[in-house]
Amino acid sequence: GAVVSQHPSRVICKSGTSVKIECRSLDFQATTMFWYRQFPKKSLMLMATSNEGSKATYEQGVEKDKFLINHASLTLSTLTVTSAHPEDSSFYICSAPGDGEKLFFGSGTQLSVL
Amino acid sequence: AQTVTQSQPEMSVQEAETVTLSCTYDTSESDYYLFWYKQPPSRQMILVIRQEAYKQQNATENRFSVNFQKAAKSFSLKISDSQLGDAAMYFCAYRIYGSGNTGKLIFGQGTTLQVKP
Repeated sequence: GAVVSQHPSRVICKSGTSVKIECRSLDFQATTMFWYRQFPKKSLMLMATSNEGSKATYEQGVEKDKFLINHASLTLSTLTVTSAHPEDSSFYICSAPGDGEKLFFGSGTQLSVL
Repeated sequence: AQTVTQSQPEMSVQEAETVTLSCTYDTSESDYYLFWYKQPPSRQMILVIRQEAYKQQNATENRFSVNFQKAAKSFSLKISDSQLGDAAMYFCAYRIYGSGNTGKLIFGQGTTLQVKP
């Protein structure tokens, strides 16, 4: 079946540094990818929708300059957390729509900012 | 705006017993999809079951079934013969129909299910 590969699975960084998270659709093309953020034992909150070849659409309240999204190809979308701070520590998950109204999720990235 | 509400933060069930997780939603749309996702400790999101709003028949997947009440905007999940592997966080989700496969999912708050041996 379709697979979305997300890397890294876990990253620890110092405050002020930038972190890039990648999501790749391995055996299908994804013109759209969704980026979610999840706090411990909480729901998934949609941050933004990335679209191949165009600007991402951000949800209300999400800082565009803080969370940079790039959808460079039909199989790759990246989320860069710029100048990360401890409050950015969270679990980030991507998902991509496939055939038959299905959504495929990456395995998530746990970001810890010290 | 569409919203999804899960009023049970935690539920517990004895192994082999049946449990029902509740979900209500609010939308002005007539056509949409509803989903239940399972998130085990690994945090990988797993699709449990899907319901199209235009279908009156309740969806069923093996031990998992739903009670879809469109007028009441209710979408509960029943897990029969509960197994230890069913222990996870369960999310109810909504997606508008007709958005192709690009429609975003709106999730409920989640219900943590504990299965007791």
